[in-house]
Amino acid sequence: EAQVTQNPRYLITVTGKKLTVTCSQNMNHEYMSWYRQDPGLGLRQIYYSMNVEVTDKGDVPEGYKVSRKEKRNFPLILESPSPNQTSLYFCASRGSSTDTQYFGPGTRLTVL
Amino acid sequence: GENVEQHPSTLSVQEGDSAVIKCTYSDSASNYFPWYKQELGKRPQLIIDIRSNVGEKKDQRIAVTLNKTAKHFSLHITETQPEDSAVYFCAASRGSGTYKYIFGTGTRLKVLA
Repeated sequence: EAQVTQNPRYLITVTGKKLTVTCSQNMNHEYMSWYRQDPGLGLRQIYYSMNVEVTDKGDVPEGYKVSRKEKRNFPLILESPSPNQTSLYFCASRGSSTDTQYFGPGTRLTVL
Repeated sequence: GENVEQHPSTLSVQEGDSAVIKCTYSDSASNYFPWYKQELGKRPQLIIDIRSNVGEKKDQRIAVTLNKTAKHFSLHITETQPEDSAVYFCAASRGSGTYKYIFGTGTRLKVLA
């Protein structure tokens, strides 16, 4: 089944404790992206990648890191999480020759 | 920077009535405009999209219109049903060659039975 998966789905952590949210897709998509969703603000793009080893900042990259060492994986790294990074995070992917974007199930992160 | 404004933020309609959600974008280079539906606790899912070389697109009860001159695009849902209740997001992108998307802030649609 074609899908985008994220782990973990729920995470409660404390300020300053490094964490990684994994994202994987099995559709051989070139493009992958991370979004955060906050009430009243919609979806905001954090980082995106158009190929292995190619990443670009979205609208809200501060406090986040990403890497694209393999085509299928695009982890999101919070080196020193802060409470303002409490949010719902979505990973997404898309093929380079299509427009349809597929979202993962979401990761609800709480930073205390 | 570029932005997409979406209105209204909430919309209540009676079952069977039509619903219209409007978006305005600022980046004149945008040429791809998708609409996503997000049910409670679920991921956003694409319901319809339009490219800038097309003025209107329909898929059963859903239609999208685009006014490129005014930088407006709208989602129209006819004969609304309770299962249409969800949050709807519009977005704008420069299309292939980029993966940058700007989303609107969402419209919560409630269809009253």
